[in-house]
Amino acid sequence: QVQLVQSGAEVKKPGSSVKVSCKASGGSFSTDAISWVRQAPGQGLEWIGGIIPLLETAHYTQKFQGRLTITADESTSTAYLEVNSLRFEDTAVYFCARGTNTWRGENWGQGTRVTVTS
Amino acid sequence: DIQMTQSPSTLSASVGDRVTITCRASQSISSWLAWYQQKPGKAPNLLIYEASTLESGLPSRFSGSGSGTEFTLTISSLQPDDFATYYCQQYDSFPYTFGQGTKLEIK
Repeated sequence: QVQLVQSGAEVKKPGSSVKVSCKASGGSFSTDAISWVRQAPGQGLEWIGGIIPLLETAHYTQKFQGRLTITADESTSTAYLEVNSLRFEDTAVYFCARGTNTWRGENWGQGTRVTVTS
Repeated sequence: DIQMTQSPSTLSASVGDRVTITCRASQSISSWLAWYQQKPGKAPNLLIYEASTLESGLPSRFSGSGSGTEFTLTISSLQPDDFATYYCQQYDSFPYTFGQGTKLEIK
C-alpha cells in the first residue's frame, strides 16, 4: 500500500517562500505521476502542477508559472513543492497525490496547511 | 485549459435515495475522467477512474458513466457515510482541472 506523508503546517509572510515535502513509501516512485493540488479555505480543489520523477520535467498551471517549482528526489522518494513570492491568496491546504502510470490521484498525502499572514 | 462544470453545486437527499451528479467538459476528454469523494478536513479519495471503473474495494452502489464531454456519477442507494463533497477531474491534458464540486447534504 502506497503512503504519502507531507511536511507540517507553515505560517509565512507575504513575499516569502515555502517548501512543502511529500515522502512516498511503497509504489514505484520514479515512474509515478506526482501531482500537487491546493484547496483554499472553503473552496474546491485546484490542480497546480506535477512531475514524473524519472522524467524530471515538471508541469505547472499557467497562472502559477514562475512562482512554483516542483522537484523530486528519487534517492529519498520525496517530492517537493516550492511557492515563491507568497500572497495572502496562497493561503490553502496543499495536497500531493500520486498515480501509477497515470495522473489521476490514486493515493493522497494528508495535506499541508500554508497560511500567509502579515 | 479544459473547463469542468459540475451540477448541481449542492444536492439534498435522504438515506436510501438514488442520486446523480453531472460533470461536463469544455472539450472532449475521451474517458479520462475521475471522481473523488472528500470529507471535511480530509484528503480526497478516488472513487471512479476512466469514467466508469470503480476503484478496488469500494461499494458497488457507486457507478460512473459517460465519455467525450458528458459524465455522470450515480449513487444507487445513499448511505449515511456518503454525505460529502464530490469532485470530477479530467486527466486528458494539462492542466488536469477539477470541477467545482457537488456538496451532498442530508435532507
